[in-house]
Amino acid sequence: DAGVIQSPRHEVTEMGQEVTLRCKPISGHNSLFWYRQTMMRGLELLIYFNNNVPIDDSGMPEDRFSAKMPNASFSTLKIQPSEPRDSAVYFCASCLSTDTQYFGPGTRLTVL
Amino acid sequence: GENVEQHPSTLSVQEGDSAVIKCTYSDSASNYFPWYKQELGKGPQLIIDIRSNVGEKKDQRIAVTLNKTAKHFSLHITETQPEDSAVYFCAASTRTGGSARQLTFGSGTQLTVLP
Repeated sequence: DAGVIQSPRHEVTEMGQEVTLRCKPISGHNSLFWYRQTMMRGLELLIYFNNNVPIDDSGMPEDRFSAKMPNASFSTLKIQPSEPRDSAVYFCASCLSTDTQYFGPGTRLTVL
Repeated sequence: GENVEQHPSTLSVQEGDSAVIKCTYSDSASNYFPWYKQELGKGPQLIIDIRSNVGEKKDQRIAVTLNKTAKHFSLHITETQPEDSAVYFCAASTRTGGSARQLTFGSGTQLTVLP
């Protein structure tokens, strides 16, 4: 199994630009999570989906962030417009109705 | 909501010695406590977990203990090796609506094993 796939692995953009992060969960998994990791705040849950439906987005920082899961094998996290304080590593994780969440390698986002 | 505190933030041990990382949680309803290891440039990977109906769990050189009364749990690594050097995260969770758990993570411990 390829594991959770995230793209791009690194993204450098300028303030105000739109950024789209992508995630392909492990095949067959029905829950997907987006996390943000920073030195200051650690690992924070942004949003999670169950069977492609957003269940809890209370961790999404503000309206500039949005996430979609159009089908069981793909999800996006979009930031528009991006700001320097959005710089972080963004992780996607998936699981199958169990406790074990499998994390992807992350996308390192730098907003200049 | 749940709050998880993790100590220490950094830990250096000599190869072959033991390492202990401790976490406390606030929500008495939490019933699942995983530990993740994160190597540089990679995502966190589950190394061991424990549920509230168990006081201790062991997997080779790694063990986790849980004290529900005191609301704390610990990770023990024996006979440490250089490849154990990484950041370790504890987490706590209750099962919410839907089939998946939401995890609240501790702040992480940077473990360095000195050769």
